[in-house]
Amino acid sequence: QLQLQESGPGLVKPSETLSLTCTVSGDSISTSYYGGWIRQPPGKGLEWIGSIHYSGSTYYNLSLKSRVTMSIDTSNNQFSLKLSSVTAADTAVYYCARSPYGGNHYFDSWGQGTLVTVSS
Amino acid sequence: QSALTQPRSVSGSPGQSVTISCTGTSSDVGGYDYVSWYQQNPGKAPKLMIYDVTKRPSGAPDRFSGSKSGNTASLTISGLQADDEGDYYCCSYAGSYTLVVFGGGTKLTVL
Repeated sequence: QLQLQESGPGLVKPSETLSLTCTVSGDSISTSYYGGWIRQPPGKGLEWIGSIHYSGSTYYNLSLKSRVTMSIDTSNNQFSLKLSSVTAADTAVYYCARSPYGGNHYFDSWGQGTLVTVSS
Repeated sequence: QSALTQPRSVSGSPGQSVTISCTGTSSDVGGYDYVSWYQQNPGKAPKLMIYDVTKRPSGAPDRFSGSKSGNTASLTISGLQADDEGDYYCCSYAGSYTLVVFGGGTKLTVL
């Protein structure tokens, strides 16, 4: 059964870089699919951050593009997110999710989410 | 890219049907048959209920159905049950540059 698990610091200082990793189990990420990151500020809706193909090609939300970097580590079955110059507005639950082969426009498996708070 | 427009809340009684709308533009909802719907319960991750406008993944009840007309997609839940309560989000493909955009979410209350 496919499982995704986010990991990373739960507290990041303003102006620093948020770094999260998603570890995939139950399937190889080298089987032609996309890994995505979606966030949800407390009490608000979902916002797509970006998606990365196992080949390394990326798509980013235009409003975040200047601050986002995504990467993939096929040897460890992981993909990662870096968001630079964070502010309090970046406080959110961050989810990683999988888009299946042929469907980079939807997410069929999600991690449980991890809360990242931006505060000094 | 602006978020898709959803009603903030809808409600219905057990056994009834409710429909949640999701309005976009010809650059997203209207331009592609790639709308998906997610159910989210408090403190939980979203769960895929509908993809490609009308398709149900395994595990999603057949009481959930999707449709689209022009720039507006809809999710219909028939035979409402208490555990259908939660937040529902639509999502649409928005082109090879933007990829996807979510709706603002709709809170469903079962009376």
